[in-house]
Amino acid sequence: QSVLTQPPSASGTPGQRVTISCSGSSSNIGDNYVSWYQQLPGTAPKLLIYSSNQRPSGVPDRFSGSKSGTSASLAISGLRSEDEADYYCATWDDSLSGYVFGTGTKVTVL
Amino acid sequence: EVQLLESGGGLVQPGGSLRLSCAASGFTFSSYSVTWVRQAPGKGLEWVSVLSGSGGRTHYAESVKGRFTISRDNSKNTLYLQMSSLRVEDTATYYCAKGRWGAVSDPFDSWGHGTLVTVSS
Repeated sequence: QSVLTQPPSASGTPGQRVTISCSGSSSNIGDNYVSWYQQLPGTAPKLLIYSSNQRPSGVPDRFSGSKSGTSASLAISGLRSEDEADYYCATWDDSLSGYVFGTGTKVTVL
Repeated sequence: EVQLLESGGGLVQPGGSLRLSCAASGFTFSSYSVTWVRQAPGKGLEWVSVLSGSGGRTHYAESVKGRFTISRDNSKNTLYLQMSSLRVEDTATYYCAKGRWGAVSDPFDSWGHGTLVTVSS
């Protein structure tokens, strides 16, 4: 059972903006940076956002991250068909002394 | 180019053991933290274990503590996961991933393709 809660699904039409939330606590999101991962069907996860709002080189600026208190969010603007994937938030948990992943959100492009 | 290649997966009976390997290339292996993440069929990601760049710090998920051991051989650029007392619920694809820097709390910026472990009688 994950300590980071995400909505199971999100959807939008091409060009729309979709936002995914990630809710945690003071021992994880409240005290550490958040990262986001995209997992396309049948493939390994890929780092999308690190340090809560930074993009690795090669990740389009349509993807953005933010953090406030014990919650974080990932926004996808200008939604495209290739954005259909599962998205996971993750961070270090000081109480567990381990990494924790969110429950995952499946994004569908209508 | 960073490459991570897992191997060692397969079918094992409950209570059995298995050792996974992850061969790394394209970066200075000894300078970065490395981690194992697993994904049960049709389920989400679950972090398993991490080893700091220096190798001095290790952490494990509660679900595998005392049964799994993470280690690295910097001379061979290889990460290992020794799994023992395997349970049906350990069935998953196991990914190795590279930390962005050297600390255990780093995000994972490169991933292997995974190796499937099936625990069944």
